[in-house]
Amino acid sequence: EVQLVESGGGLVQPGGSLRLSCVASGFTFSSYEMNWVRQAPGKGLEWVSYISSSGDTMSYPDSVKGRFTISRDNARNSLYLQMDSLTAEDTAVYFCARDLPSVSGPDAFDIWGQGTLVTVSS
Amino acid sequence: EIVLTQSPATLSLSPGERATLSCRASQSVSKYLAWYQQKPGQAPRLLIYDTSNRATGIPARFSGSGSGTDFTLTISSLEPEDFAVYYCQQRSKWPLTFGGGTKVEIK
Repeated sequence: EVQLVESGGGLVQPGGSLRLSCVASGFTFSSYEMNWVRQAPGKGLEWVSYISSSGDTMSYPDSVKGRFTISRDNARNSLYLQMDSLTAEDTAVYFCARDLPSVSGPDAFDIWGQGTLVTVSS
Repeated sequence: EIVLTQSPATLSLSPGERATLSCRASQSVSKYLAWYQQKPGQAPRLLIYDTSNRATGIPARFSGSGSGTDFTLTISSLEPEDFAVYYCQQRSKWPLTFGGGTKVEIK
């Protein structure tokens, strides 16, 4: 079964850091581009990072650029999101999501994890 | 940044009725527009990619159309399990962006 399982969420104080993980199974992880998408409570979806299959290309929106870092370990079938300088506006459920297979560049997200909740509060 | 505006915000319909959801982009996204369905407490599910291609396992009652800046998701005859929130998303330019969503509720 194709699956993504996130972990690492929790309560963190403003200004703090957190590292999320996403473990993939059921497919050849190293062949797929990956993303993180978040959803604040009761709100819509916001894309927060992308990484190419080899890990040499990343992209972020301005809202997290310079604070969040996406990475991957293809040998461990794992995707990561290092989040620093967190604020209350970063409170959300964070999903990892797989790109549809494509030649290169971003695509639609065909497989999603169940999400992990990050709460930034004092 | 490409802004995607979805309308209406809420659509109240009965099972068996046709649902028409709109997504308008602030600039052309060519054909690179996807649609997702999300139910409470669940992750989004990909329905349609590149305007009109159904994702694996998606029923034929879901269809997508449009190009450039105006796109439509049509559900030909609503089933009870189709009542949910629907989001559009563009992959034409960075940053990738989503629309604000349309909630399809039971009338």
